[in-house]
Amino acid sequence: DAGVIQSPRHEVTEMGQEVTLRCKPISGHNSLFWYRQTMMRGLELLIYFNNNVPIDDSGMPEDRFSAKMPNASFSTLKIQPSEPRDSAVYFCASRRTVVGNEQFFGPGTRLTVL
Amino acid sequence: GQQVMQIPQYQHVQEGEDFTTYCNSSTTLSNIQWYKQRPGGHPVFLIQLVKSGEVKKQKRLTFQFGEAKKNSSLHITATQTTDVGTYFCALSGGSNYKLTFGKGTLLTVNP
Repeated sequence: DAGVIQSPRHEVTEMGQEVTLRCKPISGHNSLFWYRQTMMRGLELLIYFNNNVPIDDSGMPEDRFSAKMPNASFSTLKIQPSEPRDSAVYFCASRRTVVGNEQFFGPGTRLTVL
Repeated sequence: GQQVMQIPQYQHVQEGEDFTTYCNSSTTLSNIQWYKQRPGGHPVFLIQLVKSGEVKKQKRLTFQFGEAKKNSSLHITATQTTDVGTYFCALSGGSNYKLTFGKGTLLTVNP
């Protein structure tokens, strides 16, 4: 099993540019999570999908952030326009939808906005 | 929202010493999970505790869930350099999906 796949692994961009982060969950997992990790705020849940449907996006910082899951094997997190304060590591995680089941994290995308 | 406090924030030990991190919740929990993140890596699931007073062991790691299901601890006996990383507790309250992660305890081990 390849695990959760994220791309790119590193992204450096300039303020105002659009950034798209990609995630492929583990096959058979029907829950997908996007997290952001910073030193100051720790690991924060941004959005959660179940069966490709966004269930909870209360953690999305603002309208500049959007996430989609067009099918069971692909999700994107888009930031437009990006700002320096968006610099962080963004993790995607997936899980089989069983109560309390463990989440499997991808390797993360380290985003730097200059 | 659900509040979680994890202490200490940092812990530096000599190899062979023991280590404990504590996690406290403001509300009663359905279950609690523990994750480990190596430097530069991603969180990796260690264990889940569900029952009040539950104790689980994984080699040198001992996990406990409080009787009131509001707190938990992770204890490592005789630390090794391979134990280096940040240990997170993750709380599951009323919902069956949302995990609230603690800020983590960064463990460093001096060989």
